[in-house]
Amino acid sequence: KAGVTQTPRYLIKTRGQQVTLSCSPISGHRSVSWYQQTPGQGLQFLFEYFSETQRNKGNFPGRFSGRQFSNSRSEMNVSTLELGDSALYLCASSSPGGDEQFFGPGTRLTVL
Amino acid sequence: KQEVTQIPAALSVPEGENLVLNCSFTDSAIYNLQWFRQDPGKGLTSLLLIQSSQREQTSGRLNASLDKSSGRSTLYIAASQPGDSATYLCAVRQGAQKLVFGQGTRLTINP
Repeated sequence: KAGVTQTPRYLIKTRGQQVTLSCSPISGHRSVSWYQQTPGQGLQFLFEYFSETQRNKGNFPGRFSGRQFSNSRSEMNVSTLELGDSALYLCASSSPGGDEQFFGPGTRLTVL
Repeated sequence: KQEVTQIPAALSVPEGENLVLNCSFTDSAIYNLQWFRQDPGKGLTSLLLIQSSQREQTSGRLNASLDKSSGRSTLYIAASQPGDSATYLCAVRQGAQKLVFGQGTRLTINP
């Protein structure tokens, strides 16, 4: 079974731009969660989607948004980028009723 | 608010030693606890998952224990190898699929 895939792997943007990151979960997994990892704050939960609905949300500003498609693939969008948005963005998937989360390789976003 | 702490922040040991990594959490109402490994610049690899009703889990040279009442978990690594060098993260799950992570322990195994 293929693991969680994320595209693109690396992105460089400038302040004020917007960016869209993509995550494809493991086949059969319907829950997708997003996390931001920075050296200062560590790993922080952004949001979780299940069956195209946002089920849980972390403490991030409204500039961070996401969605999930009927095939369980998920995208997250960050608008009006700030320097502090530079981070590794990780997504994770889990199976219905599953307890274990499986992470993708991440997208490294650099905001200049 | 759940807080997860990992001690030590960094650890360097010679190859072959047995070692213990510690994780503590402030709210014992957890669903489960998961240990991950992260290599530099990479994603997370799941090592062990312990349900709240379990006391320990084992996988190869790894053993994780959970004492929910005291808010503690330990990851025991036997006969450490240079390939074990990585950052080890523990995370607790509270409802839905939200994980709360510790800051990690950076482990270096010296040949």
